[in-house]
Amino acid sequence: SQQGEEDPQALSIQEGENATMNCSYKTSINNLQWYRQNSGRGLVHLILIRSNEREKHSGRLRVTLDTSKKSSSLLITASRAADTASYFCATDPGAQKLVFGQGTRLTINP
Amino acid sequence: GAGVSQSPSNKVTEKGKDVELRCDPISGHTALYWYRQSLGQGLEFLIYFQGNSAPDKSGLPSDRFSAERTGGSVSTLTIQRTQQEDSAVYLCASSLKGGAPPSQPQHFGDGTRLSIL
Repeated sequence: SQQGEEDPQALSIQEGENATMNCSYKTSINNLQWYRQNSGRGLVHLILIRSNEREKHSGRLRVTLDTSKKSSSLLITASRAADTASYFCATDPGAQKLVFGQGTRLTINP
Repeated sequence: GAGVSQSPSNKVTEKGKDVELRCDPISGHTALYWYRQSLGQGLEFLIYFQGNSAPDKSGLPSDRFSAERTGGSVSTLTIQRTQQEDSAVYLCASSLKGGAPPSQPQHFGDGTRLSIL
């Protein structure tokens, strides 16, 4: 079963609104990463948050991590049409590889 | 360009044929990963190379799948006797270094879309 699971599976909002996506995982982690994937393209790294961090910002992105609840959230503020993409969380439940969730498909309507 | 390059971008082949997919990682990146992504799904880990160490093959779905990384750079993923369920996008990623835990961002190519008729 997947280590990370995103919620919701799909999200549609109006341009300018904020978008929040959640990721839950099962086992303890060292880091959690968020990636974006535009249609037909590879994944692009957005942000990495370490297990001893609670919040991290990068431009219009805000990521939180709650290790007690084994969950993370990605907030995109003031959304733009170009933010339309799928967003994946990735965790490192041991070993040397990342485990990706199923993703949230975000649609920004003009 | 300086990104991860994959070829071909699309491949259509008949069931039972062998296919080879190529990945050119970012120069200087020691870690290389292969993933498979079915339509609308997340990524399924296949194999991981780190420098000259033995690869982690734990994600390969069957013995029809194999991969090599020559000279610590270019990698080839080979699927023998392809089946229709092998149809997917195969993504390659590289990172500056690997190791546990994976603390470096992974840089992805745009993938090879494989269709088995």
